Amino acid sequence: ETGVTQTPRHLVMGMTNKKSLKCEQHLGHNAMYWYKQSAKKPLELMFVYSLEERVENNSVPSRFSPECPNSSHLFLHLHTLQPEDSALYLCASSQVRGSEKLFFGSGTQLSVL
Amino acid sequence: ILNVEQSPQSLHVQEGDSTNFTCSFPSSNFYALHWYRWETAKSPEALFVMTLNGDEKKKGRISATLNTKEGYSYLYIKGSQPEDSATYLCASVNQAGTALIFGKGTTLSVSS
Repeated sequence: ETGVTQTPRHLVMGMTNKKSLKCEQHLGHNAMYWYKQSAKKPLELMFVYSLEERVENNSVPSRFSPECPNSSHLFLHLHTLQPEDSALYLCASSQVRGSEKLFFGSGTQLSVL
Repeated sequence: ILNVEQSPQSLHVQEGDSTNFTCSFPSSNFYALHWYRWETAKSPEALFVMTLNGDEKKKGRISATLNTKEGYSYLYIKGSQPEDSATYLCASVNQAGTALIFGKGTTLSVSS
């Protein structure tokens, strides 16, 4: 148990669906992240929130929409995804950005049909 | 854009062997270097965070070194055990203190 909880663990959706991934951290951290893990690629940073403010957006398509309502919760809203978006989506948190280690959730394995 | 490279991509050793992996990263604007272990069906777990040139960190049979001038870090595992089987990721942070950029990882398999 890392203190970072992600739901759902698995998600299958069609290209016209709208779904959301949820992440919750119980560690009192100030920074939260979304990473994407595709086959044969390194973990790719998608979004960073620090103190509930989005501070990084790595050229992610607008069909991915993050939301951070408070420092403990992070969402990733998905709509009109493409099959190439199928991947493992990992949430992480840290006390501050940069030098502090990340605590990861178990991830959501997403399949887009 | 940071490019973090790890080698080898995969490695298979026998129980009791000692092994090491390499992580290379841009040395300019360096801020911190992280190592993570990622076991199958689990979350990545932090092993070390290093910031100073010459840093050496140790956790049980696993240790790491850091050379920020030439941009590389080594991870050593002494006397590998089957439970060490995992993918080992390194990640670099630039001086702006922004989020980590990961390498593709080294997948270690230890046979008993």
